[in-house]
Order: sequence, then C-alpha cells, then structure tokens
Amino acid sequence: DAGVIQSPRHEVTEMGQEVTLRCKPISGHDYLFWYRQTMMRGLELLIYFNNNVPIDDSGMPEDRFSAKMPNASFSTLKIQPSEPRDSAVYFCASSYYGRRSDTQYFGPGTRLTVL
Amino acid sequence: EDQVTQSPEALRLQEGESSSLNCSYTVSGLRGLFWYRQDPGKGPEFLFTLYSAGEEKEKERLKATLTKKESFLHITAPKPEDSATYLCAVQPPGGGTALIFGKGTTLSVSS
Repeated sequence: DAGVIQSPRHEVTEMGQEVTLRCKPISGHDYLFWYRQTMMRGLELLIYFNNNVPIDDSGMPEDRFSAKMPNASFSTLKIQPSEPRDSAVYFCASSYYGRRSDTQYFGPGTRLTVL
Repeated sequence: EDQVTQSPEALRLQEGESSSLNCSYTVSGLRGLFWYRQDPGKGPEFLFTLYSAGEEKEKERLKATLTKKESFLHITAPKPEDSATYLCAVQPPGGGTALIFGKGTTLSVSS
C-alpha cells in the first residue's frame, strides 16, 4: 500500500487567498484525521471523520476552516481566507477501528506558508 | 483536561550512551498509548502501542514500557540514525477517537 497520500507537499500563498489541502487515506481505513503541527503547540487535532461523516470538529480554529470527505478515498481541508497565523504543517492520518488496535498512520504532511 | 507531558524537551547523547524518554499522562481509562518517531520534514512514523500497565514492547534498540501514569521509551546503545523527535500520544476510551499528543522529545545522537 502507498500509505496516506497528501498534496501538495508545500504551499506558499498570500494572505486572503483560498487554500485547499488534499488527502487520500489508506484503502480500507474507516477513520480519517486532520492535524496541524506548529513549534509552539505541537500536533493538534482539527477534525476527524468516521465512514466519511465528520465526528468531531471542535479543533477547527474558526469558520475560515472547513473539511469534507465526499468518499472513502478522498478528503479536503480548506482555509478561506488564509492568514499568516495559519502557517504550519498539516497532517492527514487514517486508521482502521479494531477491537484493540486502531493505530493511526500519518501522511507526509503539507507545509503551508501564508505571506 | 486530558494532558500528555514529555520530558526532556531535548536530549543529546553520545553514540552508545543509553537513556530514557518520559511521557506522563492524566487521561483516565486509557485505551492505548502510542509512540511515534518523526524525522525532519516527514510525518510521524508509528513505533509502538501499549495497552495496560506492565506491558513492554521492543524494537531494535528501543523498548517502551507503561505504568498507570507514565510511559518510558528506553534507548539502548543509540546510534546517530536514532536521532529524531519522539512523540508520545494517548487515546482516551471510546474507540476511534483522536490521539492527544505530547510535544515530543528531540533526540540527537552524535558519533
């Protein structure tokens, strides 16, 4: 399996522009998570889906952030309008819920820079 | 509020100098505790999952242990290629929930 795939790997944009990050989870996984990583705050959960349905979006910073999962193999995280404080590395992770083991596997991340 | 604290923040070792990283947590009814390794510019890479106090897991020079309130990642005779940030995460009860991560310990091993 190719693992979790994210695109783009790097994104540089100007304040006010719309940014869309993409994720393809591991085939067969039923959970998908979006995290943000910064030096100050570490890894923070933004939102997660189960079987394409959003379960918890309490980590989404504000209404400028939105996420969708139209099918089991694709998810997007959109920021509109973007601000410099959104600069961070955004990770997507997926897992399969088992009786005991539901290890999350991470993608390579998208490094976002908002100027 | 559930918390995960890792110490030290940074650790410098000489090749072959064994040491331990600590992860303490306040989550009640832990479903699992995870250790990940993260190299610069990459996503976290899964290492271990621990489920109950007393459990131990090993992989090459790494051994993870778990008590009721903390976990240790022991590194025996480290090599420069072990240099990375090691992240600890806990999973509260309920199944399928997200992980709560600590801020990590950055390990540097020099030859």
